[in-house]
Amino acid sequence: DSGVTQTPKHLITATGQRVTLRCSPRSGDLSVYWYQQSLDQGLQFLIQYYNGEERAKGNILERFSAQQFPDLHSELNLSSLELGDSALYFCASSVYPGQNTEAFFGQGTRLTVV
Amino acid sequence: DAKTTQPNSMESNEEEPVHLPCNHSTISGTDYIHWYRQLPSQGPEYVIHGLTSNVNNRMASLAIAEDRKSSTLILHRATLRDAAVYYCIHGYGGSQGNLIFGKGTKLSVKP
Repeated sequence: DSGVTQTPKHLITATGQRVTLRCSPRSGDLSVYWYQQSLDQGLQFLIQYYNGEERAKGNILERFSAQQFPDLHSELNLSSLELGDSALYFCASSVYPGQNTEAFFGQGTRLTVV
Repeated sequence: DAKTTQPNSMESNEEEPVHLPCNHSTISGTDYIHWYRQLPSQGPEYVIHGLTSNVNNRMASLAIAEDRKSSTLILHRATLRDAAVYYCIHGYGGSQGNLIFGKGTKLSVKP
C-alpha cells in the first residue's frame, strides 16, 4: 500500500459526459502529480501541484482540469469525454517537488468511455 | 523531453541476478536517475534513484557510469514477484521533478 488513495477505482461513462477523479496523497506529501496511461501512449504526465499551486503542466488537454485543495487532496476533472480518453489515470504524491525524492503512486482509476 | 533507451524486454531465471541497462546520453549534470517498476494491474512503484554514486537499497542496486550516460539496475536475486515493466527515467524540468516515463523494459522471470 503506497498510502495514495484514488477513487473511484473504476468508472464507466458515456461520450460527452464529465467526470471527476479524486486523489488523496500520502500523509505529509505536499506535491501531487497526475498521469494518464493508455495502451498506445504509455504513461503520460498531465499536471503537477505543490501545496495548492499548479507547478507544471504536461500533455493535458484543454478539456481536462485539475486542482489541489487546502487539505492537499486533488481532483482531476475530465469533460466532453471522448472514446480516446479511456485509460488508466494515476495520481502520485511526493513530499516536495524535485528530483531528489521518490514519488508514490496510487492504484489508479480505470476510466472507460462508451 | 528527457529521453532514455532501454531494451524492450528481458528474461531472467528465478534466484539469479538481473542487470537492466539504460542509456541516457542527454542527461544534464543535475539530473537524477530514477527507476520505477510497474507490476501488472498496479501503479508504478519506486525502486531507486541516484545522482553520481552507486546506490543500494533493500530492493536493488543502481550502478551509474562515470560519465553518467548510462546506468544499470541490479536485482540481486530475481523472484517471480519481480516480473514487471521497469522504467529508467532521468529528471525533467529541473526542480519540478516530473517523471517522464518511456516505454520501459518488460522483465519476465522464469521459475
